[in-house]
Amino acid sequence: AQTVTQSQPEMSVQEAETVTLSCTYDTSENNYYLFWYKQPPSRQMILVIRQEAYKQQNATENRFSVNFQKAAKSFSLKISDSQLGDTAMYFCAFFTSGTYKYIFGTGTRLKVLA
Amino acid sequence: GAVVSQHPSRVICKSGTSVKIECRSLDFQATTMFWYRQFPKQSLMLMATSNEGSKATYEQGVEKDKFLINHASLTLSTLTVTSAHPEDSSFYICSASSKPPDTDTQYFGPGTRLTVL
Repeated sequence: AQTVTQSQPEMSVQEAETVTLSCTYDTSENNYYLFWYKQPPSRQMILVIRQEAYKQQNATENRFSVNFQKAAKSFSLKISDSQLGDTAMYFCAFFTSGTYKYIFGTGTRLKVLA
Repeated sequence: GAVVSQHPSRVICKSGTSVKIECRSLDFQATTMFWYRQFPKQSLMLMATSNEGSKATYEQGVEKDKFLINHASLTLSTLTVTSAHPEDSSFYICSASSKPPDTDTQYFGPGTRLTVL
């Protein structure tokens, strides 16, 4: 069975600093996708970044980038130049066409401090 | 692009009544829609997956007669909570995925907070 683990329930970072959120997963599949979603206080789930497992290059979206280590089954999210608006719950998610559904981690609550 | 709406955003109902929640994909055709439930400070729990024109697939432990799902068109899915009870109070979120090759990414609605008195 696939599992997703986020080992940091809460984190905080100073505005303008860099923070890394960790995510590990377990699967026997070779083709899959990984995602980071952000859920701010409004509770709207917002797609932050997407990574295809067959791509070795790490995905980036502006201030957000991932460190995808397929062999280690690790998928961390780096947020550079943190902004107050980054304060949210961050969920790591795994998808494979085998099950055709997301497996979510338990989330990391990130607070950006002014 | 890829906007999903939900209606209503909040609903309060009396115990024993039924409540319908709508989920719409506004600018794309959603071949598959998903319904989640989220308890406070917890992750999303998948309730069911629905494909347009076919019966929904429910996750283990989710009562299909209590949570009726209809995916009548490529842009609309509805979740009806029948004979609601206080323990059904929760935050319900829908998501939608598009046609191949973009079937892996889910776009989420803003959620519906249900309170059953």
